[in-house]
Amino acid sequence: KAGVTQTPRYLIKTRGQQVTLSCSPISGHRSVSWYQQTPGQGLQFLFEYFSETQRNKGNFPGRFSGRQFSNSRSEMNVSTLELGDSALYLCASSSARGRDPRMLSYEQYFGPGTRLTVT
Amino acid sequence: DQQVKQNSPSLSVQEGRISILNCDYTNSMFDYFLWYKKYPAEGPTFLISISSIKDKNEDGRFTVFLNKSAKHLSLHIVPSQPGDSAVYFCAASALGTQYSGAGSYQLTFGKGTKLSVIP
Repeated sequence: KAGVTQTPRYLIKTRGQQVTLSCSPISGHRSVSWYQQTPGQGLQFLFEYFSETQRNKGNFPGRFSGRQFSNSRSEMNVSTLELGDSALYLCASSSARGRDPRMLSYEQYFGPGTRLTVT
Repeated sequence: DQQVKQNSPSLSVQEGRISILNCDYTNSMFDYFLWYKKYPAEGPTFLISISSIKDKNEDGRFTVFLNKSAKHLSLHIVPSQPGDSAVYFCAASALGTQYSGAGSYQLTFGKGTKLSVIP
């Protein structure tokens, strides 16, 4: 099975611009979560999508948004970029545990990340 | 407020010896704990996990111990190998809290410990 893929791998933007990052989960995984990794804060949860619906959201401003498509692929958007948005953005996918497809397995499988630099 | 803490930013161990990585948590609602390993320029890779109903889980060279009363878990790697050199993240989750939809959850990560195994 192919792993989680993220595009692009590297991105340089200037303050005030907006950016869209893409994530393709492992085939059959319907849940996609996004995390931001910075040296000071570590890995922080952004949001989780399941069947095109955002089910869970972390403590990030509204400039951070996302969506999920019917094929489970997900995009994350950051508008009005700030210097502090420079980070590694990681996408993770999960499969279901048991019969209920909404109930996730605890194990999340991460992609390689997109390194965003805001100048 | 950091709910998952890895107090040692780095650890050096001789090849063949035991590596012990520690993690403390404050949220008593956490019921599942995971360890991830991360190499540079890659996403975190799931290593091993433990449910709060257990106190030990083994997988080959890796063993995770959970002490609920102390809110402490540790990862033991025996014997340590140079290929184990990476950043190790402890993560915790509480299904039923921190979520807004059935089956959804988020992982709360520590800031990581960089393990160096010296040949």
